Amino acid sequence: DTEVTQTPKHLVMGMTNKKSLKCEQHMGHRAMYWYKQKAKKPPELMFVYSYEKLSINESVPSRFSPECPNSSLLNLHLHALQPEDSALYLCASSQDGRAGTGELFFGEGSRLTVL
Amino acid sequence: GENVEQHPSTLSVQEGDSAVIKCTYSDSASNYFPWYKQELGKRPQLIIDIRSNVGEKKDQRIAVTLNKTAKHFSLHITETQPEDSAVYFCAAADSWGKLQFGAGTQVVVTP
Repeated sequence: DTEVTQTPKHLVMGMTNKKSLKCEQHMGHRAMYWYKQKAKKPPELMFVYSYEKLSINESVPSRFSPECPNSSLLNLHLHALQPEDSALYLCASSQDGRAGTGELFFGEGSRLTVL
Repeated sequence: GENVEQHPSTLSVQEGDSAVIKCTYSDSASNYFPWYKQELGKRPQLIIDIRSNVGEKKDQRIAVTLNKTAKHFSLHITETQPEDSAVYFCAAADSWGKLQFGAGTQVVVTP
């Protein structure tokens, strides 16, 4: 299995809802990432987990809460989001646990719409 | 933190011609420079990368050059084909391991 799998592909939620995005990889990669991508913009780093520990948090608002239950899974819990949080959320993984040292394998993304 | 600038923002080329995209970075400690291609509605995918101990790398029709002194790196695509049409992002990893992407270049290859 050489893919990063994200679910759901599409999500519509209200500002008072609680939802979660899920990401899974079975390549034995030791770093996992969450990126946010707005239309016609580059991916923006949100969080990095290295060896299942949160190593980078790019000052993301607390309404986004990451979780890494094990080396294959990464979740992003969403609560009280704002319409401006609507975007494509990309999960990625890399083989080395040290972030920024090798190829990122991206999932197809979860397209989030906040009403 | 790292700041990556990318030019041009759009690039239109005739099939068979070459395309060149240029990026500059600010952090002299950056040591890893990947290039990603993102087709419409698809995920970004790595096409080539270069590390700071190498000046040039080539993979078939794609090449990347790095000038550490000037802090710039470039992507060269030769013999462009319609399937090369996509958005291309350069990136630089800073000393903290954070990968900073450039703003992207929309490449359109016309037959």
